Amino acid sequence: QSALTQAASVSGSPGQSITISCAGTSNDVGGYTHVSWYQQHPGTAPKLMISEVSNRPSGVSNRFSGSKSGNTASLTISGLQAEDEADYYCSSYTSSATLVFGGGTRVTVL
Amino acid sequence: QVQLVQSGSELKKPGASVKVSCKASGYTLNNYAMNWVRQAPGQGLEWMGWINTNTGNPTYAQGFTGRFVFSLDTSVNTAYLQISSLKAEDTAVYYCARDQGWWFDPWGQGTLVTVSS
Repeated sequence: QSALTQAASVSGSPGQSITISCAGTSNDVGGYTHVSWYQQHPGTAPKLMISEVSNRPSGVSNRFSGSKSGNTASLTISGLQAEDEADYYCSSYTSSATLVFGGGTRVTVL
Repeated sequence: QVQLVQSGSELKKPGASVKVSCKASGYTLNNYAMNWVRQAPGQGLEWMGWINTNTGNPTYAQGFTGRFVFSLDTSVNTAYLQISSLKAEDTAVYYCARDQGWWFDPWGQGTLVTVSS
């Protein structure tokens, strides 16, 4: 199972909105709702930001939102803040009853 | 609160074995499956597989069969990852993560395993 495809890096200025994409296939992202997003700051464990394509857990800022169209999922961060600078990973359930992660996107706040 | 606390960093020689623990608190281990994720230095997340905490049945991802073993001790609410015949390329941070339906929350703090002669 190949990793889901994410851009290596995305940047934006404070207050702007950015979108991170996660491209898969009909055997993973396109075929299931089990798509999640995780935030990871350097030296720390990943943190769940979005589950089931667009569900935001309690405690996660409403500036984070998730969506999916076809075989591509997206994470949008609105009102970008310095604390959002981190690595972001998508994941998806697959038709082989496994899980696959994206390669990760480094978000830089200019 | 719900949390997973993992054992500390390990330094091992090639060919040795290591056992990483992941103690669950704030909930009963049996109620949720447990997943394991590897992150090599400077690299992304890699799913290793999961263990059914009711039956103890493990499922290993491709590339993690043979030398990797998931196990449980429900009497102490703890999951384990054992890696045998360690190689330099096993050097990584290993995370346990509670499975809530193919999404993971919370994660353990991670255990760095370094394999070096």
